[in-house]
Amino acid sequence: EVQLVESGGVVVQPGGSLRLSCAASGFTFDDYSMHWVRQAPGKGLEWVSVISRDGGRTYYADSVKGRFTISRDNRKNSLDLQMNSLRSEDTALYYCAKEGSSGWPTFDSWGQGTLVTVSS
Amino acid sequence: SSELTQDPAVSVALGQTVRITCQGDSLRSYSASWYQQKPGQAPVLVIYDRNKRPSGIPDRFSGSNSGNTASLTITGAQAEDEADYYCNSRDSSGKHVVFGGGTKLTVL
Repeated sequence: EVQLVESGGVVVQPGGSLRLSCAASGFTFDDYSMHWVRQAPGKGLEWVSVISRDGGRTYYADSVKGRFTISRDNRKNSLDLQMNSLRSEDTALYYCAKEGSSGWPTFDSWGQGTLVTVSS
Repeated sequence: SSELTQDPAVSVALGQTVRITCQGDSLRSYSASWYQQKPGQAPVLVIYDRNKRPSGIPDRFSGSNSGNTASLTITGAQAEDEADYYCNSRDSSGKHVVFGGGTKLTVL
C-alpha cells in the first residue's frame, strides 16, 4: 500500500523559512516523479512543484519560483520542500503527491497534508 | 501558463446523470485527470488519461475529451458522490501542472 506522510507544517512569520518533508513507502520511490500541491483554506488545489525521478529536473509554479526548492533523497524515500521568504498567501495545506503510472500530471496517491500558516 | 475553467457548482438528482466540464487550451495537447475531494480529506484520483479509472473507482464515473473541453460524467449519481471535483492537466509549456478551480457537486 502506498503511503505518503507529510510533516513540518507550523505557524511561521512572514519572511520566514520552513522545510516540509514527505516520507514515502509502499512503492519504488525512484521510479516516479513527485509533486507538491497546496490548498489554501476554503480554496482550490494549486500545483507547487515537481521533481523528476533522479532529481535532475525541477519545475515550479510562478507563484513560488525563486523562493521554494524541491528536493528528494532516493536512498531515504523522502521528498522535501524548502520554503523561503514566506508570505501570507503561502498559507495552505501542503500535499505530497505521487505521479501515476501514465506520468504526470496524474497524481494517483496523495498524503494527508501538512498545514503551513504564515502569520505574525 | 494556461488556465482550466470549471463551473463552480453543479447539482444532480439522486440516480440521475451529471456532467462536469473543464475547459482550457492546453487540453488540445494534453489529457486531463479528475479528482474527487470530500471535506477534510485528501483528493482521490477518479479518472486519468481522459477515460481510465483507477482500481476501486466505480464504473459510473467516466471521462471524455473534445477539443479544448474535458468532461467527467457520473451516470446514476449516488449520495456519496457529493464532493468537490477538480480537473488538471499540463499547461501549454508542458512543464507546469494546472488545476481547474473545482466544481462543487450537490446530490439532491
